Amino acid sequence: GESVGLHLPTLSVQEGDNSIINCAYSNSASDYFIWYKQESGKGPQFIIDIRSNMDKRQGQRVTVLLNKTVKHLSLQIAATQPGDSAVYFCAEFAKNAGNNRKLIWGLGTSLAVNP
Amino acid sequence: EPEVTQTPSHQVTQMGQEVILRCVPISNHLYFYWYRQILGQKVEFLVSFYNNEISEKSEIFDDQFSVERPDGSNFTLKIRSTKLEDSAMYFCASSRVEGLNQPQHFGDGTRLSIL
Repeated sequence: GESVGLHLPTLSVQEGDNSIINCAYSNSASDYFIWYKQESGKGPQFIIDIRSNMDKRQGQRVTVLLNKTVKHLSLQIAATQPGDSAVYFCAEFAKNAGNNRKLIWGLGTSLAVNP
Repeated sequence: EPEVTQTPSHQVTQMGQEVILRCVPISNHLYFYWYRQILGQKVEFLVSFYNNEISEKSEIFDDQFSVERPDGSNFTLKIRSTKLEDSAMYFCASSRVEGLNQPQHFGDGTRLSIL
């Protein structure tokens, strides 16, 4: 299943399917992107990151894709499991005109895995 | 696996009172952060701290807020005179390597409720 991130904050998939969570970022100067997973009642947990000099990075069962042309980031989870049920946040890191550094988080997408 | 721990898990305080939120970062980490998350909203960066001083802070982190590393293990966030709008989850994070553009390890948060 697919979501469009901020515009469709809930994604429901069947166990074993692949999940794709999308994120649109705002700043073309952003050079670092990170995905966090937040389970209910817990703090955000780092999943994977990617720098702007790459367009793909793979982890264990997860892949992040970066399309700088359209300012789009996606998180792919292979063979989704019930333990993957959580809210997933993308975050972008950029410096603004005043050279202040900022990590800007998205609203999050809730992933529900059906057994 | 080492964890960031936060206490208390829930703090209820009267408006106008001072509150101190406590964090014990991972022991070999040198960089510390506070974030807040108002219910249903984005995670927002407050402040980063290294070598006993603030490295970066956001516009949210005004004179009402302060941070301190009073000993070798604790990292605290103080809100001097709480307001209703300070009600949120407050997350502490730490990292071994410097920078907002590095993976951070989060605690499970303190829920602050201002009455």
